[in-house]
Amino acid sequence: QSVLTQPPSASGTPGQRVTISCSGSSSNIGSNYVYWYQQVPGTAPKLLIYRNNQRPSGVPDRFSGSKSGTSASLAISGLRSEDEADYYCAAWDDSLSGRVFGGGTKLTVL
Amino acid sequence: QVQLVESGGGVVQPGGSLRLSCAASGFTFSSSGMHWVRQAPGKGLEWVAFIRYDGSNKYYADSVKGRFTISRDNSKNTLFLQMNSLRAEDTAVYYCAKDLGDNWNSAGFDYWGQGTLVTVSS
Repeated sequence: QSVLTQPPSASGTPGQRVTISCSGSSSNIGSNYVYWYQQVPGTAPKLLIYRNNQRPSGVPDRFSGSKSGTSASLAISGLRSEDEADYYCAAWDDSLSGRVFGGGTKLTVL
Repeated sequence: QVQLVESGGGVVQPGGSLRLSCAASGFTFSSSGMHWVRQAPGKGLEWVAFIRYDGSNKYYADSVKGRFTISRDNSKNTLFLQMNSLRAEDTAVYYCAKDLGDNWNSAGFDYWGQGTLVTVSS
């Protein structure tokens, strides 16, 4: 059972906009920054979004993050086949005094 | 370019010990916080431990507290994870990751190694 809750799967067609949600509580998302990762199976994760909505250099602006209260979202616009991957949210948890991940969302591009 | 190379994984019996290493290059290791993150086969990511750039602060996931110890040797640009009292549920690919450094409690990991597989089985 992950501290942060994500839907296990999401899907979309090329060119579409898809959003992935991440639900937490006041001890994690509600009071700390949210981070998003992309993991293509068999490879190491890659940082997509930091501090809720900031993109590291090299990450396309098709990827965007937002946060409201105890929930956060990752949006991918102009969906492409290479976006097919697993996506994870992460945050610090004040109660656990540690970092926590969501369970991951498998994105399928139909 | 930044490189993180893990080593030390393998097969170990329940109750046994293993020491993982992560050789870092391409950045100022002695100025960077470092993490271990693991991923059980077919499962999601789980943060394991963090060590501050100078080794003065360490944090652990509850699942490994008291059994695992994170440490570093800044003179050799190397991160370690000593794993004792291993259990079947510790079976996973273990990644070392560099802390983004944007905040004291950042959950940002901006560079990752390729991972090393630890299998706990009799």
